Amino acid sequence: DAKTTQPPSMDCAEGRAANLPCNHSTISGNEYVYWYRQIHSQGPQYIIHGLKNNETNEMASLIITEDRKSSTLILPHATLRDTAVYYCIAESGYSTLTFGKGTMLLVSP
Amino acid sequence: DTEVTQTPKHLVMGMTNKKSLKCEQHMGHRAMYWYKQKAKKPPELMFVYSYEKLSINESVPSRFSPECPNSSLLNLHLHALQPEDSALYLCASSLAQTGSSYEQYFGPGTRLTVT
Repeated sequence: DAKTTQPPSMDCAEGRAANLPCNHSTISGNEYVYWYRQIHSQGPQYIIHGLKNNETNEMASLIITEDRKSSTLILPHATLRDTAVYYCIAESGYSTLTFGKGTMLLVSP
Repeated sequence: DTEVTQTPKHLVMGMTNKKSLKCEQHMGHRAMYWYKQKAKKPPELMFVYSYEKLSINESVPSRFSPECPNSSLLNLHLHALQPEDSALYLCASSLAQTGSSYEQYFGPGTRLTVT
């Protein structure tokens, strides 16, 4: 699976959009981009995934660049409960998730 | 029901003890996973079961012994652990392991302390 690179930490004001970037420049054509998050001391939670097209669900939006070398997870209206470590993972369909260090998102009042 | 349950929530065991961790899901998922997470580190895959058969063992020491008695249950048997095995043990499940893109659902984990 391709390696992903994320900033170690980001801050966001409550109510504003949180835009979390991820680089995956070596991603192959059959690898999906997955986003999970882990709130302190809890199990990881699936957020969203995509292959080529942008995706949106009730939690977030995923924007994948046309060359697929990077993506952005967007939380449209961040709340304090969105404070967590966010993991971007490139996975080829064999479900063996390899977690990187992720981005610690701190949402402040 | 999109829940993966794990018991116990916390476990303290001595190095000579034998204990088991349990994981259960009733979503009809046919792939189940064990991960280990040390403090301030990301989760690391240990084992994958697909249709109740061991599919992947990430070179885990034999003191960890997984078992999948049926499609809803996953156990992790522990024996002669070391203090460095203290960690959060996470179970996850997905609809299947291969063939398409399947998100994994994680349980809350068992926090294990080896004394």
